[in-house]
Amino acid sequence: DVKVTQSSRYLVKRTGEKVFLECVQDMDHENMFWYRQDPGLGLRLIYFSYDVKMKEKGDIPEGYSVSREKKERFSLILESASTNQTSMYLCASRSNGGGSYNEQFFGPGTRLTVL
Amino acid sequence: QKEVEQNSGPLSVPEGAIASLNCTYSDRGSQSFFWYRQYSGKSPELIMFIYSNGDKEDGRFTAQLNKASQYVSLLIRDSQPSDSATYLCAVDSGGYQKVTFGTGTKLQVIP
Repeated sequence: DVKVTQSSRYLVKRTGEKVFLECVQDMDHENMFWYRQDPGLGLRLIYFSYDVKMKEKGDIPEGYSVSREKKERFSLILESASTNQTSMYLCASRSNGGGSYNEQFFGPGTRLTVL
Repeated sequence: QKEVEQNSGPLSVPEGAIASLNCTYSDRGSQSFFWYRQYSGKSPELIMFIYSNGDKEDGRFTAQLNKASQYVSLLIRDSQPSDSATYLCAVDSGGYQKVTFGTGTKLQVIP
């Protein structure tokens, strides 16, 4: 059974704190993604990684950084948390696939509240 | 900016009816199209995938793709209350296995 796990389901932090969100996948996927999801705005891509130590900015990278030291693990870092980073954070992974179909698998999400 | 547009709803249908969910996309080069279902408080799960023009059926679900019109839809036959969820349309963005999501359509199936 394929699985993407995230370190916390719920997290409460204070403004200015450094926050780490961890994501681990057991499917040996090359590609991993971090999204945030807000009401009315849908899923927005923050960062993604296509290989170990490789990263690319998504649509809303400001205020975030990422780390991928091992293939199975992709971390999202909020250097100095702010209240506008209160959101649901979703990690996903996807293989490079064979053929035209390969699914993106999601973790359960981390609901982060910044006070 | 590659865009995927969906009506946010809510779309309300009676139990047993056909629910029709629609999605348009801006990138003519898109090759693969996905429908994800997301229950409240849960993460998205894939329910349909389509890459050829026409219809693809899987149980009560039918995905329809018209690349000339840049339009993809999802039909749910014999809608059940358990189908009540938000349905996300997603389109391959090319390069690095990225996918662009629409904002989702909330479906309510009324018993």
